Amino acid sequence: GAVVSQHPSWVICKSGTSVKIECRSLDFQATTMFWYRQFPKQSLMLMATSNEGSKATYEQGVEKDKFLINHASLTLSTLTVTSAHPEDSSFYICSARAHGTGEGQAFFGQGTRLTVV
Amino acid sequence: GENVEQHPSTLSVQEGDSAVIKCTYSDSASNYFPWYKQELGKRPQLIIDIRSNVGEKKDQRIAVTLNKTAKHFSLHITETQPEDSAVYFCAALRAGTYKYIFGTGTRLKVLA
Repeated sequence: GAVVSQHPSWVICKSGTSVKIECRSLDFQATTMFWYRQFPKQSLMLMATSNEGSKATYEQGVEKDKFLINHASLTLSTLTVTSAHPEDSSFYICSARAHGTGEGQAFFGQGTRLTVV
Repeated sequence: GENVEQHPSTLSVQEGDSAVIKCTYSDSASNYFPWYKQELGKRPQLIIDIRSNVGEKKDQRIAVTLNKTAKHFSLHITETQPEDSAVYFCAALRAGTYKYIFGTGTRLKVLA
């Protein structure tokens, strides 16, 4: 199947700093990527939909100025957590749908565990 | 808004027994229902999926059933093995969109 690579897999940062997470589709083009947040023992909560060449669509309650999303190419989307605080510590996962595949099937990155100290 | 309820939240079975996880969706326009397996700290992996024009699908020890009228779909794992232990998520996708609505997850533990 298609491969989605996410980097870094884990990061520790100081409170007040910013962290950038990359999501790459390695062997396919992805016009749309999705960013999820997952707290321990909980489900995946969609944060935003990243559209190549246009602004991201954020879910209700997600601060767009805090979670900056850029989808500059068909193979790369980035999520920047700005001015991170301990409550932003979580597991962040991206997913992408391969352009031209059957409707629905999405592939997930390996996730990034963010710890803000 | 749309939501997907998933039960049970935890499930323990003896090795070799069957496990069943059930989901109910609210959006009648949903037409694609994948199931994901997530091991601790790893990415969700698609294990089986079903589309709304099909009532049942099977892949070796795993099967999924869909009741569109009741808006229920279920995952069935037979002859469970310890390596089946993980968290399982169901999801529903509305036709014409790419927005998955995930269930709350089921932590399956297969006891050897």
